[in-house]
Amino acid sequence: AQSVTQLGSHVSVSEGALVLLRCNYSSSVPPYLFWYVQYPNQGLQLLLKYTSAATLVKGINGFEAEFKKSETSFHLTKPSAHMSDAAEYFCAVSYSGNTGKLIFGQGTTLQVKP
Amino acid sequence: DVKVTQSSRYLVKRTGEKVFLECVQDMDHENMFWYRQDPGLGLRLIYFSYDVKMKEKGDIPEGYSVSREKKERFSLILESASTNQTSMYLCASSFLSSNQPQHFGDGTRLSIL
Repeated sequence: AQSVTQLGSHVSVSEGALVLLRCNYSSSVPPYLFWYVQYPNQGLQLLLKYTSAATLVKGINGFEAEFKKSETSFHLTKPSAHMSDAAEYFCAVSYSGNTGKLIFGQGTTLQVKP
Repeated sequence: DVKVTQSSRYLVKRTGEKVFLECVQDMDHENMFWYRQDPGLGLRLIYFSYDVKMKEKGDIPEGYSVSREKKERFSLILESASTNQTSMYLCASSFLSSNQPQHFGDGTRLSIL
């Protein structure tokens, strides 16, 4: 069965430090991959998506992610954390023929310390 | 910009009541989805619809039903609300294609007393 694993339910970084949120997927076919962010009491907002073009994808708010087929990973990074980045982050995957259904990871809560 | 609008941000109902949650999207998306979100459990798909009057069960359909009479509107119905249905409910929509993202509403925080 297809699945998505986010390593670490909570990640804490200092303001200005590198942010690294991990996402691995299981699949024998090429995936489409997405990262979403959820601020408290809000819905999910799309950060970026990978749909088989460039493997390094740039998103909003200074985030980027790199698709690594050999590692079945799609980790999210940001060079310098800001207090406003504190939120929950979800990785999601879809597959050709899946007609738009997404499989979500369990989410990672990012805490940013001053 | 895509707009997905959920009718209520906060809702309080009593056990046994029939509860309607409404969702409207303005981008002519074929797909619409209902999720519930609980701490530690992530997002769980309740139902989705890929066309008017069409519906498919998700991972946790028990105790819920849906209605899609118009393309832009997708309703979630709790037939007889129970306390274990207290949760955050999220509606989403997307085009009928695997490489398209889903767009989410702001959510409805439902409390069943």
